[in-house]
Amino acid sequence: GAGVSQSPSNKVTEKGKDVELRCDPISGHTALYWYRQSLGQGLEFLIYFQGNSAPDKSGLPSDRFSAERTGGSVSTLTIQRTQQEDSAVYLCASSLARGAGGSAYNEQFFGPGTRLTVL
Amino acid sequence: AQSVAQPEDQVNVAEGNPLTVKCTYSVSGNPYLFWYVQYPNRGLQFLLKYITGDNLVKGSYGFEAEFNKSQTSFHLKKPSALVSDSALYFCAVTPNRDDKIIFGKGTRLHILP
Repeated sequence: GAGVSQSPSNKVTEKGKDVELRCDPISGHTALYWYRQSLGQGLEFLIYFQGNSAPDKSGLPSDRFSAERTGGSVSTLTIQRTQQEDSAVYLCASSLARGAGGSAYNEQFFGPGTRLTVL
Repeated sequence: AQSVAQPEDQVNVAEGNPLTVKCTYSVSGNPYLFWYVQYPNRGLQFLLKYITGDNLVKGSYGFEAEFNKSQTSFHLKKPSALVSDSALYFCAVTPNRDDKIIFGKGTRLHILP
């Protein structure tokens, strides 16, 4: 079946511009995560959606970052007034809801990422 | 606060030797623990997980990990390393009452031919 998809795969933008990154999770996965991975660095948690609950935004680095998840499926991460330090690979992951049972409990499936370059 | 630590930024192992990648955690309650791998120019892939039961869990590509509650550790192991195991490895944990998964900073594993 289809995995997690992200678009665009690469995005080059100028400092100060706004960008939108899209994530299509696996159908039926109610948990969705956004992470940021800078070159050679680990995963930095950004935001987490779980079903209809209020999202956990504790990882967003500034108020220039926001995310939405419409209809419990597709998610968009928006970065306003981009800065050079925003350059990174932005990863999206989805997983089954807690309590769904089965061997895939809480296993995250990652998309290929969007490489953002801010000039 | 919940956290996970991977004390080694890099581990070098000769091909054919056993390998260990260390992970310790700090969470309230009973943790769910995971290992993920990121091969060069590829996305993150799930390797294995511990939810409950047998402390020794086996995963993909011949890897295994042992949950040690007293030492709050979940070290990744493989009896005989391959050059193709060279990658970035992430340990992750989620507390039993919260689905948010917390990742460690990663350990880069180099298998030397």
